[in-house]
Amino acid sequence: DADVTQTPRNRITKTGKRIMLECSQTKGHDRMYWYRQDPGLGLQLIYYSFDVKDINKGEISDGYSVSRQAQAKFSLSLESAIPNQTALYFCATSGLEDVHEQFFGPGTRLTVL
Amino acid sequence: QKEVEQDPGPLSVPEGAIVSLNCTYSNSAFQYFMWYRQYSRKGPELLMYTYSSGNKEDGRFTAQVDKSSKYISLFIRDSQPSDSATYLCAMSEDTGNQFYFGTGTSLTVIP
Repeated sequence: DADVTQTPRNRITKTGKRIMLECSQTKGHDRMYWYRQDPGLGLQLIYYSFDVKDINKGEISDGYSVSRQAQAKFSLSLESAIPNQTALYFCATSGLEDVHEQFFGPGTRLTVL
Repeated sequence: QKEVEQDPGPLSVPEGAIVSLNCTYSNSAFQYFMWYRQYSRKGPELLMYTYSSGNKEDGRFTAQVDKSSKYISLFIRDSQPSDSATYLCAMSEDTGNQFYFGTGTSLTVIP
């Protein structure tokens, strides 16, 4: 089984809808991250969390919110989706023993019509 | 100006060629330099990372960092068709709290 899983893998939704993307990990890592990837822009950090009580904004947090339900679970929400949030979303984790080694999930392809 | 600049390519080489991939950056506080490989429809996978300046070798892959020029490179020797992927550079400060990625370079190795 994959160490970092994301659900759903693909999602098509309409403008104004609320969407939640979920991430789970079995690596026992404390640190979790949400990124979006757009052609020509690379990976951009949305939010990151160092433990259940520690959540921080990244470069592009506007329009997004997160919830760290447990050490192993980190969810990303789009409260009211808009078309320019169409992108590939990745969850990643890293452990305290080596914070610079990030492990990525398979990604969620989100399309907002 | 983006913190990290990377030529998107695409880059196409024959099998067995030496490949050079590069990134430049503007933030002198960056101390850790990572290279990721991303296959189509997959998440990025860490290849290697280096701390500060210098070289690091892992099999056919060599990473170089020149902090004076704010320039990093990844060399792939004896390139194989299985190396065909997008290569992303990434950087962070000492704390490792946030990571800044290049846009990625698309590489195709032709058999």
